[in-house]
Amino acid sequence: KNQVEQSPQSLIILEGKNCTLQCNYTVSPFSNLRWYKQDTGRGPVSLTIMTFSENTKSNGRYTATLDADTKQSSLHITASQLSDSASYICVVSAGTGFQKLVFGTGTRLLVSP
Amino acid sequence: IAGITQAPTSQILAAGRRMTLRCTQDMRHNAMYWYRQDLGLGLRLIHYSNTAGTTGKGEVPDGYSVSRANTDDFPLTLASAVPSQTSVYFCASSDSLSFGGPLNEQFFGPGTRLTVL
Repeated sequence: KNQVEQSPQSLIILEGKNCTLQCNYTVSPFSNLRWYKQDTGRGPVSLTIMTFSENTKSNGRYTATLDADTKQSSLHITASQLSDSASYICVVSAGTGFQKLVFGTGTRLLVSP
Repeated sequence: IAGITQAPTSQILAAGRRMTLRCTQDMRHNAMYWYRQDLGLGLRLIHYSNTAGTTGKGEVPDGYSVSRANTDDFPLTLASAVPSQTSVYFCASSDSLSFGGPLNEQFFGPGTRLTVL
């Protein structure tokens, strides 16, 4: 069964600190992996998308990594800001042609002043 | 401002009532999607449309119907709402005929919070 698991479920960090969120997936065949940020009461917004051949991609203070061999991805947030408080969702695209997106349940991050 | 709008923002509905959630995008995207988001679960695809005039079933289509009369609008209808349909509903769109391809980023609307009593 295609699954995406994220850890931790929730996280509290102090403003200015770094953090890393984890995503493990059992999706086959793999097409690409995306990280979304979802603010409370809003829809998800794409941060990064990585295909099989990419192992690192950055978007400002957000850096995503992908290890297709171990089926793991991480999202590293540098110098956190209060506005980083949100849920971060890992999404894996499976298959070719009609590709299904498998969503993780997200990591809820709270950045505290 | 280009994007996706959804209406209503929230709704409380009696069980058995009919309800249509509206979704409009102005990005001229070909593909549109409806998801539901429940606590402790990832977003789940209800229905999708690859282009105007065509629709398909997602992971959890039962109890829902959609139509795609034109490019911009993709309404979701609950014919007879049940409490298990209490959820937050997100509409999304993407600019690719290659459904879910590597560059097929999905843009999400703000969501509709639906409570069925």
